[in-house]
Amino acid sequence: GAGVSQSPSNKVTEKGKDVELRCDPISGHTALYWYRQRLGQGLEFLIYFQGNSAPDKSGLPSDRFSAERTGESVSTLTIQRTQQEDSAVYLCASSPIGTSGGQETQYFGPGTRLLVL
Amino acid sequence: TQLLEQSPQFLSIQEGENLTVYCNSSSVFSSLQWYRQEPGEGPVLLVTVVTGGEVKKLKRLTFQFGDARKDSSLHITAAQPGDTGLYLCAGEPLQGAQKLVFGQGTRLTINP
Repeated sequence: GAGVSQSPSNKVTEKGKDVELRCDPISGHTALYWYRQRLGQGLEFLIYFQGNSAPDKSGLPSDRFSAERTGESVSTLTIQRTQQEDSAVYLCASSPIGTSGGQETQYFGPGTRLLVL
Repeated sequence: TQLLEQSPQFLSIQEGENLTVYCNSSSVFSSLQWYRQEPGEGPVLLVTVVTGGEVKKLKRLTFQFGDARKDSSLHITAAQPGDTGLYLCAGEPLQGAQKLVFGQGTRLTINP
């Protein structure tokens, strides 16, 4: 497709269950980011993948959160033993390989709205 | 931790009015981006400013980067209902390329 796609668009789960969120970046984009956006707030960085480099996991809030990326394609964000405070919109973004100035445009997907009951 | 503070957090004005949204930090950024996010969608990049004092115009939107590269403003002239949305500023720290720091956003509503 032309843009970043995410699935599912909405997810309702019970506290304690595991969830897996998927992101399909724009073809050819080497960088992929996951963000969390709580209601009415800005974006909170979670994790960043760049090519074959080790991912930057510095934003993951706890060890219940993990993410994987297969090559330069699909990424999955997994949340284990979900808690009510995990309820948020999870946004994925991709960008092409950047310059050292890092002035790359990040192209965002529509997000996955997660509600933990 | 570098933070970006946006103000106001909420703004509701009538069509045709002018407005300014601010994005402030105590830290220096190598560049600053403005995004607009509509309900149910991801943010979309509006502009990137790189040089201190830089001014960029996008139709009725004027973006300015502070001389010290610590702050930015977005001014909208003659606001229209189509301008309604969440406006986010995002700064690229001097170290850590491509790992943007986002402000909490300004939710703008333009009433017809």
